[in-house]
Amino acid sequence: NAGVTQTPKFQVLKTGQSMTLQCAQDMNHEYMSWYRQDPGMGLRLIHYSVGAGITDQGEVPNGYNVSRSTTEDFPLRLLSAAPSQTSVYFCASSLRGQPSELFFGEGSRLTVL
Amino acid sequence: QQQVKQSPQSLIVQKGGISIINCAYENTAFDYFPWYQQFPGKGPALLIAIRPDVSEKKEGRFTISFNKSAKQFSLHIMDSQPGDSATYFCAARVSDGAQKLVFGQGTRLTINP
Repeated sequence: NAGVTQTPKFQVLKTGQSMTLQCAQDMNHEYMSWYRQDPGMGLRLIHYSVGAGITDQGEVPNGYNVSRSTTEDFPLRLLSAAPSQTSVYFCASSLRGQPSELFFGEGSRLTVL
Repeated sequence: QQQVKQSPQSLIVQKGGISIINCAYENTAFDYFPWYQQFPGKGPALLIAIRPDVSEKKEGRFTISFNKSAKQFSLHIMDSQPGDSATYFCAARVSDGAQKLVFGQGTRLTINP
């Protein structure tokens, strides 16, 4: 049982490049989300999904796209990377409905030059 | 806009002492208040959580105190140990069933041996 798996763990991009951060979970969780972590800012919600085929924006969605074609996978796409997107990105999953534990991946550290 | 404010940003406590981290929230549409613990290079992991109809919850050395009228909650770590050294995040769940969490800024806790 792997939990939440994120790839890659580290990535360096040049301004304007695009890339996809991958996230997969094997716990059959309906809810998945992406957060970014920046010093002094805590974790901020980028996008989330309450089930396959359903996505919605969080607090800081600009510059990012998501899709949820299966229950297991929730990729995050950076369309045209900017230095302001330098951050550590965390994918998380949970059961939907009653308050329940959010399970996080180990993070993807992205640097945009 | 940060709806959950956490303090202090960093905290140093001697082994065996009590660590106290405070959080305050502004939005009343929260229905669950978890605390997450994060070690370097890892994703956050749920430590303890409380619902707003409870004033205190204790699990081992960890206690959450919750003051609904003041919109404040705090984490107390009794008999703090060097292994407790980590970053701690308070959070609040938006009460729409989607498991969206709003996080505080984080507290880096160091326990000196």
